[in-house]
Amino acid sequence: EIVLTQSPATLSLSPGERATLSCRASQSVGSRLLAWYQQKPGQAPSLLIYATSSRVTGVPVRFRGSGSGTDFTLTISRLEPEDFAVYFCLQYDTSITWTFGQGTKVEI
Amino acid sequence: QVQLVQSGAEVKKPGASVKVSCKASGYSFTGYFIHWVRQAPGQGLESMGWINPNSAATNFAQGFQGRVTLTSDTSVSTAYMELNSLRSDDSAVYYCARVSPSGLPDSWGQGTLVTVSS
Repeated sequence: EIVLTQSPATLSLSPGERATLSCRASQSVGSRLLAWYQQKPGQAPSLLIYATSSRVTGVPVRFRGSGSGTDFTLTISRLEPEDFAVYFCLQYDTSITWTFGQGTKVEI
Repeated sequence: QVQLVQSGAEVKKPGASVKVSCKASGYSFTGYFIHWVRQAPGQGLESMGWINPNSAATNFAQGFQGRVTLTSDTSVSTAYMELNSLRSDDSAVYYCARVSPSGLPDSWGQGTLVTVSS
């Protein structure tokens, strides 16, 4: 079973700064895919990126997903006030076996 | 638009059972799997398992087999998750999510808080 480790656990930044979030798999994800979610307090997760680097319609271009194999990254180029939230990575495929990372909190 | 509306918060005693519902609208209920996920306070997301409403086939994540029952009622477009033998560490927000054809959760319910306390 693949384990996803996100780092750092907390990222303290200011609006306008760049955020780089890491999601590392314990072994290559192979044909499995990676997604990123944003979650704000009291809300369900919201899909930002799927298939490693595809942005969901309506997600701002400042959000960019990248990576392959065991190392994946979510980059937020210039933080806006509404971007301060928790971000999760998710490994998935058509077998519907899901593995989540434990999350990175982006705080002011 | 696609909507998943879950039942309200529950408070249960240890050893009891809880049943959470997830009513779907805005799409063909039998055309998409429903996956259940939980999130303990301050923790990450944990997959529990899924149901295919079209066939009633189910699959469970490790640690939930035998303690979770997933069902669906196509006549009311609703999926259900029943968790038995509740323990304090089952206290969490439980979410249902619609699964896209690629296997990705593409729509979520609002979450149901289950508190297990004596």
